[in-house]
Amino acid sequence: QQQVKQSPQSLIVQKGGISIINCAYENTAFDYFPWYQQFPGKGPALLIAIRPDVSEKKEGRFTISFNKSAKQFSLHIMDSQPGDSATYFCAASKGAAGNKLTFGGGTRVLVKP
Amino acid sequence: DADVTQTPRNRITKTGKRIMLECSQTKGHDRMYWYRQDPGLGLRLIYYSFDVKDINKGEISDGYSVSRQAQAKFSLSLESAIPNQTALYFCATSDRTGAIYNEQFFGPGTRLTVL
Repeated sequence: QQQVKQSPQSLIVQKGGISIINCAYENTAFDYFPWYQQFPGKGPALLIAIRPDVSEKKEGRFTISFNKSAKQFSLHIMDSQPGDSATYFCAASKGAAGNKLTFGGGTRVLVKP
Repeated sequence: DADVTQTPRNRITKTGKRIMLECSQTKGHDRMYWYRQDPGLGLRLIYYSFDVKDINKGEISDGYSVSRQAQAKFSLSLESAIPNQTALYFCATSDRTGAIYNEQFFGPGTRLTVL
């Protein structure tokens, strides 16, 4: 049973459009929610992360929205660019458990020029 | 990330064979992890080590074993490979100091095929 469920599995967006990826978690002990970006042939790399004491975090064109009561969080990619084409993974961890991450299933994003 | 290297990058083996995947890092991190990636399942933690003398099972450790030879080296072994262990394997590292929620740095991955 996946503790972090991610949707959609794949996404096609036009250049300049908005990409939205959603994640839902079950374990209320999770208190750290990072997003990792993976390009073909590469390992994942941290993109942006949020703690549940804030409802939104923005870094450039990337924004995390967090809804603690619904146990959901999402990644928005504004003004999507072809270079954003990658697989995105949401994840969650419990601070008390150190750095162990539980990942969602991943979303493959394709940005068409 | 060139600071985390994995060998081999690709490996094809047969059912029943023993195989070792190796990970080395020059980041000076204490914590190391092994994940496997399968389509639609994301990355799942196999084993993790918070220092040389501390090794712990992850969510899918059955059929795998690990060895932390030094702070910089963490190896994953499949004692008797089976086809459903065909996957992409990643090693990752993170720092122990500073913030609790430290970034994990991933290697380039090893694509393993078990026939």
